[in-house]
Amino acid sequence: QQQVKQSPQSLIVQKGGISIINCAYENTAFDYFPWYQQFPGKGPALLIAIRPDVSEKKEGRFTISFNKSAKQFSLHIMDSQPGDSATYFCAAPSWTSGSRLTFGEGTQLTVNP
Amino acid sequence: DAGVTQSPTHLIKTRGQQVTLRCSPISGHKSVSWYQQVLGQGPQFIFQYYEKEERGRGNFPDRFSARQFPNYSSELNVNALLLGDSALYLCASSLSGFNQPQHFGDGTRLSIL
Repeated sequence: QQQVKQSPQSLIVQKGGISIINCAYENTAFDYFPWYQQFPGKGPALLIAIRPDVSEKKEGRFTISFNKSAKQFSLHIMDSQPGDSATYFCAAPSWTSGSRLTFGEGTQLTVNP
Repeated sequence: DAGVTQSPTHLIKTRGQQVTLRCSPISGHKSVSWYQQVLGQGPQFIFQYYEKEERGRGNFPDRFSARQFPNYSSELNVNALLLGDSALYLCASSLSGFNQPQHFGDGTRLSIL
């Protein structure tokens, strides 16, 4: 059974700062690790994802860093903006099914203007 | 292009009743997964269907059932509702469900009185 541990639970940064959220997973035979962004009253929106054949993936202000040997991956949000204030979830595929995602508990990010 | 659509958006039921939630995937997507999200937690996997067959089931009681139709839309049924079933029920679709990006709808908010 997959477990995903996400930290911190909440994060407050100033506008223009860097937000960093960390996740650790257990074993998996699959290789797709997504991050989701969720606003109140909405479903999770796919933000960025990585396959561990690379150690880093960047899309605009969002970067995923992946450490396969440590079974850890992190989300970096550069130049954080008030509009980035949301709950962020990491997810990892289960040991037995690449389509079954196990989510972290979420990080509530607040970016102060 | 339309995203994943779910209906209804909100639903209020009483204990012991039955409920049916509906999901239409993104056009061209053949896999649908259902997740339950309790307030303040990450989504939890309930079911995955691909090509109208159940391909995965999470740790939920038999009161939960689902099916997928020839047009790839899906229904989630919950019988004998309990107070603890109050949650946001999310549907996610993907091309094949295997190591593919999953895109979520905005969910159905189910409240049990």
